[in-house]
Amino acid sequence: SYELTQPPSVSVSPGQTARITCSGDALPKQYAYWYQQKPGQAPLMVIYKDTERPSGIPERFSGSSSGTTVTLTISGVQAEDEADYYCQSTDSSATYRVFGGGTKLTVL
Amino acid sequence: QVQLVESGGGVVQPGRSLRLSCAASGFTFSNYAMHWVRQAPGKGLEWVAVISHDGVNKYYADSVKGRFTISRDNSKNTLYLQMNTLRSEDTAVYYCARAQVEQTGSGGMDVWGQGTTVTVSS
Repeated sequence: SYELTQPPSVSVSPGQTARITCSGDALPKQYAYWYQQKPGQAPLMVIYKDTERPSGIPERFSGSSSGTTVTLTISGVQAEDEADYYCQSTDSSATYRVFGGGTKLTVL
Repeated sequence: QVQLVESGGGVVQPGRSLRLSCAASGFTFSNYAMHWVRQAPGKGLEWVAVISHDGVNKYYADSVKGRFTISRDNSKNTLYLQMNTLRSEDTAVYYCARAQVEQTGSGGMDVWGQGTTVTVSS
């Protein structure tokens, strides 16, 4: 079955830039989406179609794509950004959705 | 406002069945495909199933195929997940989520419910 691979954890100091990667063989052909999940809360979409930001999401959240890897970048990280982040995409048939394993972002 | 509210979770013995519901409001439910996503305790998100806006097309994760059935009643603005032959590994918070793009069901998941907890235990 198709898999997306994320690092388990990323740590960054406030004001610095955090980069979270997600790798998958179908990513050159299928869009990626990013979700933020804080403890006890439902996920929240922060990036769609690799690079687009939903309304209401701060500009410090951005996305990029290169080959089989997509990256979520959080510039000027704030304490409130501490959360789990998940990438999501589809398999090559665009039928079955898949989530990455998630990355815990710690703001030091 | 746009809202999804899940219900139907609870404690159930292995091998038994349970039906989850997801009530939608604030948008034209019949225009959107819908997903179920689950999260086991302390684990990541796992996509479970998707149903097209008209209920015709349904797709399942391998882990639930043949045991779970996704359905919808557009007249009641409600999504369902019938879960049969439950196993301990089905223990999770179950979320319903709206597909981002109307009609096609493509895109990500832009609206989520608060989740309902299913515990499979003897």
